[in-house]
Parts: sequence; structure tokens; C-alpha cells
Amino acid sequence: DVKVTQSSRYLVKRTGEKVFLECVQDMDHENMFWYRQDPGLGLRLIYFSYDVKMKEKGDIPEGYSVSREKKERFSLILESASTNQTSMYLCASRTSGGWETQYFGPGTRLLVL
Amino acid sequence: DQQVKQNSPSLSVQEGRISILNCDYTNSMFDYFLWYKKYPAEGPTFLISISSIKDKNEDGRFTVFLNKSAKHLSLHIVPSQPGDSAVYFCAAVARQLTFGSGTQLTVLP
Repeated sequence: DVKVTQSSRYLVKRTGEKVFLECVQDMDHENMFWYRQDPGLGLRLIYFSYDVKMKEKGDIPEGYSVSREKKERFSLILESASTNQTSMYLCASRTSGGWETQYFGPGTRLLVL
Repeated sequence: DQQVKQNSPSLSVQEGRISILNCDYTNSMFDYFLWYKKYPAEGPTFLISISSIKDKNEDGRFTVFLNKSAKHLSLHIVPSQPGDSAVYFCAAVARQLTFGSGTQLTVLP
């Protein structure tokens, strides 16, 4: 059974804090992704990675960075959390094959106060 | 500006009837389309897809129709079941996935 796990289901942080969201996949997928989901906006791509130590900006990278030191792990970092980063964060991974192989984690709901 | 639009935030249908979920797009570079289903507290899961060279793809109770000239796709669920109640996202591929805003489907028993 394929698995994408995210370190936390719920997080509450203060404005200005540095926040780490961790994602691990056990499918040996090359590609990993971070999205945020907001009402009325759907899922928007923040960053993605095609390989270890490789990263590319998605549609809304401002205020975020990422780290991929190992193939199975992709971290999203909020350098200085702001209230407009309150959202549901979804990690995904897929093979280099079809888009149907993209699997999502359960999400982390982040509240920034 | 959103390149993939789902203009109906919600839809309610009776069990056994047809559910039709709609999606419009603006980018002519999109060449592949997918539908995802999302239950609360879970990540989206892949449901069905269609290539731009086709106009229909069927998988059991689920059928996706693509009208390229109108830049429109729709997902038909027949017959609808209460377990189909979820948020449905359409997504389009150019270089990466671009998602619509989702439609909450409620199937009433």
C-alpha cells in the first residue's frame, strides 16, 4: 500500500516563527510536491523536486523554502510564518511516469496566530 | 487569474441519479486532464483521467467528457451513491498540475 505521510495533522504557530513541515514517502518516487489548499482557490503548487537536492519553484513560492536531502523526504520551511500562511498543506509524490501515479499525504492544517 | 475553474462550489443529487460536475479551462497548452476525489481529513485521490486527443473516457460508474473547442470537461457519475459524497477537483497538465477550486458533491440517500 502506497504511503505519503506528513509529520503533523495540525499545527499552531505564532507570527514570525520558523515552521518545518515534513513529508515522507515510501514508494521510491523521484518527484515530490508541496501544495496549499485554500477555500475557493483549490490546490496551488508551492515547490516541487525532481531529485535529491533539486528544487523548483511552483506558482506561489514566496515566503517558503524547501529541502530534499534524501529521496524519501521533502521538507517545507516557512522562514517567518505570517497569518496569510494559515492553510492546509498537502504533500504529494509520484514516479516519472503518468500523472495518475501522484499520491497525496493527508495534509497538515497550519494555523498562524 | 485561475486557469482551471469549477464554477459550482457545491452540488446535491439523489442516490441513484446522475451527478455531473463541470470544469472549464483557459490555457490551450493543457494536454491532459484528471479528476481527483477528496474526503475530509484525507489527501486527494486520483479518480479518472483523459488525454486531449480523446473526447471520452469511462471507468465503471465514472465517465469524463472533454470538449476541446469549448475548453470544457465534465465528470459524470452514474448511478450516484452516498459514498461518492466528497470534494471533486479537476486538474490540468501543462508542465505541472493546475487544480480547480473543487466542487462539494453530496449524494442524498
